[in-house]
Amino acid sequence: AQKVTQAQTEISVVEKEDVTLDCVYETRDTTYYLFWYKQPPSGELVFLIRRNSFDEQNEISGRYSWNFQKSTSSFNFTITASQVVDSAVYFCALTYDKVIFGPGTSLSVIP
Amino acid sequence: KAGVTQTPRYLIKTRGQQVTLSCSPISGHRSVSWYQQTPGQGLQFLFEYFSETQRNKGNFPGRFSGRQFSNSRSEMNVSTLELGDSALYLCASRSGTGAYEQYFGPGTRLTVT
Repeated sequence: AQKVTQAQTEISVVEKEDVTLDCVYETRDTTYYLFWYKQPPSGELVFLIRRNSFDEQNEISGRYSWNFQKSTSSFNFTITASQVVDSAVYFCALTYDKVIFGPGTSLSVIP
Repeated sequence: KAGVTQTPRYLIKTRGQQVTLSCSPISGHRSVSWYQQTPGQGLQFLFEYFSETQRNKGNFPGRFSGRQFSNSRSEMNVSTLELGDSALYLCASRSGTGAYEQYFGPGTRLTVT
């Protein structure tokens, strides 16, 4: 069965701290795609990144970085030097055919 | 390019009534998906339409139905509303299926009283 787990329900950090959001997935497919989305308090989900199952290179985009490890079925997301604007719910998602979302991690960045 | 739009943004209905929600995807996007988001259940997939055909369906009762028009606009209908249907209903569009990322609309907040 396909499943996405985000074990951290809520995280609070002080501004400028680094924070890592964990994502573990289960799938029997050899080809699949992983995504991260951000849902700020306004409610609209925003696409952050896509990674396919054949590309295990880590990616960095500004203060954001992603670590994909197929051996542990994990696709973790790190925010460096967090800012108040990073406060949101972050969702990890897996798609093979349907899109399966994890339960989300609520991040609060305290000034 | 205009984003995904959903109408109405807020809706209050009474148990037993039916409701129709509308979604206009990003221009050129042929896939539209619908999700229900609640605090207890998170984001749950309802269904996906691609070129007017339902591709996938989540585990929701038959009271939830949808359709897609030739211009890719989509509607979702919920009949015989129950209190538990109160949720944020999100629509997402993408240019294709599978690998493509989804772009979400602002959602329709449905309250059933």
